[in-house]
Amino acid sequence: GQNIDQPTEMTATEGAIVQINCTYQTSGFNGLFWYQQHAGEAPTFLSYNVLDGLEEKGRFSSFLSRSKGYSYLLLKELQMKDSASYLCAVKRSYIPTFGRGTSLIVHP
Amino acid sequence: DAMVIQNPRYQVTQFGKPVTLSCSQTLNHNVMYWYQQKSSQAPKLLFHYYDKDFNNEADTPDNFQSRRPNTSFCFLDIRSPGLGDAAMYLCATSRGGQGSTYEQYFGPGTRLTVT
Repeated sequence: GQNIDQPTEMTATEGAIVQINCTYQTSGFNGLFWYQQHAGEAPTFLSYNVLDGLEEKGRFSSFLSRSKGYSYLLLKELQMKDSASYLCAVKRSYIPTFGRGTSLIVHP
Repeated sequence: DAMVIQNPRYQVTQFGKPVTLSCSQTLNHNVMYWYQQKSSQAPKLLFHYYDKDFNNEADTPDNFQSRRPNTSFCFLDIRSPGLGDAAMYLCATSRGGQGSTYEQYFGPGTRLTVT
């Protein structure tokens, strides 16, 4: 089975940096995704990690440590539009299983 | 633009009245998924098709069925909706295989209300 844990909610200030953590336990691992989901909308793909280390993509970076079952999503230069839910998903074979998401609130 | 389309966006049905949700894709992906998502919860995988092969999750109620008549279309049938089935239903597609990113592309979802 799989167990994925993320904080329920975080708040941050516009222009700041925020780190959203995800810990997981899984019987098989084939990569970890981060998705962004605005309220009432579908998730959209942000990043993918399969090897240990940091993947950087513009304002967003994602880190993975397979030995620790740990990942984080780093958002820099926060904008109001970054207010959304951020879902961590662990892939076993080709199937991802989602965590419940972290609701990020960005305030001025 | 290649995309995943879901119809309708909003569906209201009566308790016990069968309902069908539809999903189509222009991405030519061989895997299609149906997820159920309730407020502030993780998307829960109901089932998926890998090509024509149907894969049901162990805890998906028998009330939920699916059809995939061709690569582009997939349907979710709820035979006798209960109040607990009110949720957002998300269709997603991906390429199959373990060796690469193959991220999922989601449709906009169908919000189901059961009265």
